[in-house]
Amino acid sequence: GAVVSQHPSWVICKSGTSVKIECRSLDFQATTMFWYRQFPKQSLMLMATSNEGSKATYEQGVEKDKFLINHASLTLSTLTVTSAHPEDSSFYICSAHGSRVGEKLFFGSGTQLSVL
Amino acid sequence: KNQVEQSPQSLIILEGKNCTLQCNYTVSPFSNLRWYKQDTGRGPVSLTIMTFSENTKSNGRYTATLDADTKQSSLHITASQLSDSASYICVPWFYNNNDMRFGAGTRLTVKP
Repeated sequence: GAVVSQHPSWVICKSGTSVKIECRSLDFQATTMFWYRQFPKQSLMLMATSNEGSKATYEQGVEKDKFLINHASLTLSTLTVTSAHPEDSSFYICSAHGSRVGEKLFFGSGTQLSVL
Repeated sequence: KNQVEQSPQSLIILEGKNCTLQCNYTVSPFSNLRWYKQDTGRGPVSLTIMTFSENTKSNGRYTATLDADTKQSSLHITASQLSDSASYICVPWFYNNNDMRFGAGTRLTVKP
């Protein structure tokens, strides 16, 4: 079946640095990709929706200059956490689906970000 | 108020027993309702997808039901296994605008 690959699975960085997370659809064209963050024991929270070739749509309260999303191709979307701070430490997950109505939504395996 | 309420928040059952998880939603209309299983530290995995016209859908030991009139869905797990220990998340999805609402999930623990 379709697979979404997310990389890296975990990252530790110093405060003030930027971190890039990649999300790839391996055997289908992902017209839309979603980015979420999840704090321990809490639900997934949608951060932004990105369509290939266009600017991402951010949810209310999510800083677009802080969380840069690029969806340059039908198989790759990236999330860059700029100038990361300890409060950005979280579990980040991407998901993707193709263009057919009712198509399954496939999730990446997630990235655990720890900012020291 | 959260538009998707799941209950119970957590549940502990013995291996081999059955259980039912509940999802009440206020969002309407929606294209489909999905149940996901999420292991700790992993991305969610799809269990079932139901359109608003479907009443039930099964996937192995998982059976989801949907009552669009009362805006309730349930996920029934039969003959539970230790590997069923995970969070189960209910997600109504509006396909037209890619709008999804995630429930907080039910944390299921299956003990031997």
